[in-house]
Amino acid sequence: EVQLLQSGAEVKKPGESLKISCKGSGYSFTSYWIVWVRQMPGKGLEWMGSIYLDDSDTRYSPSLQGQVTISGEKSLSTAYLQWSSLKASDTAMYYCARSITMIGDPFEYWGRGTLVTVSS
Amino acid sequence: QSVLTQAPSASGTPGERVTISCSGSRFNIGSNYVYWYQQLPGTAPKLLIYSNNQRPSGVSDRFSGSKSGTSASLAISGLQSEDEADYYCAAWDDSLSGPKGWMFGGGTKLTVL
Repeated sequence: EVQLLQSGAEVKKPGESLKISCKGSGYSFTSYWIVWVRQMPGKGLEWMGSIYLDDSDTRYSPSLQGQVTISGEKSLSTAYLQWSSLKASDTAMYYCARSITMIGDPFEYWGRGTLVTVSS
Repeated sequence: QSVLTQAPSASGTPGERVTISCSGSRFNIGSNYVYWYQQLPGTAPKLLIYSNNQRPSGVSDRFSGSKSGTSASLAISGLQSEDEADYYCAAWDDSLSGPKGWMFGGGTKLTVL
């Protein structure tokens, strides 16, 4: 069974750093893209970026490039989303999902999400 | 403001057929596949329709998708109370300038009256 297990909820202060994770199981992790999707409170879905774990090819949304870093460790079947300096506006639910290709395929499996709260 | 435009809300009564629309441009819907996701309250999104009109295994045939030009639609027939959710369209956008990447519609909140 394909599963994407995301790390637990986080409460951080503005300016702090954070790294959240998404661990895949039940399939060949390095043969798929992992995408990160943000959902701010009461808002819609927003693609943040994608990573292909076999060669770490990473693509970012133009609107978010430079604000987050997407990485992965294929030996751990895990992808990461990290911030070096959080802002209150980073408060959101963050989902990871799996896709066969970067462009031509859907986000077919999703994790349950990691809630990130940034507040002083 | 989303690149893909959806009405913020829709409603219907049990048994009715409801249609949710998604409008884009030649850079996204007009040249790429459209996908639909269902997000039940408090849960992660779920893939409902892929490649414009294909249903993943396990998705009810009450859900159907279509695309024409730069617009797409999701139809739900035989509306049920458990269909009450937010519905999002999505497509890859490959504008030469401006947005480029995966785009989602703003979402349509479906209420079953």
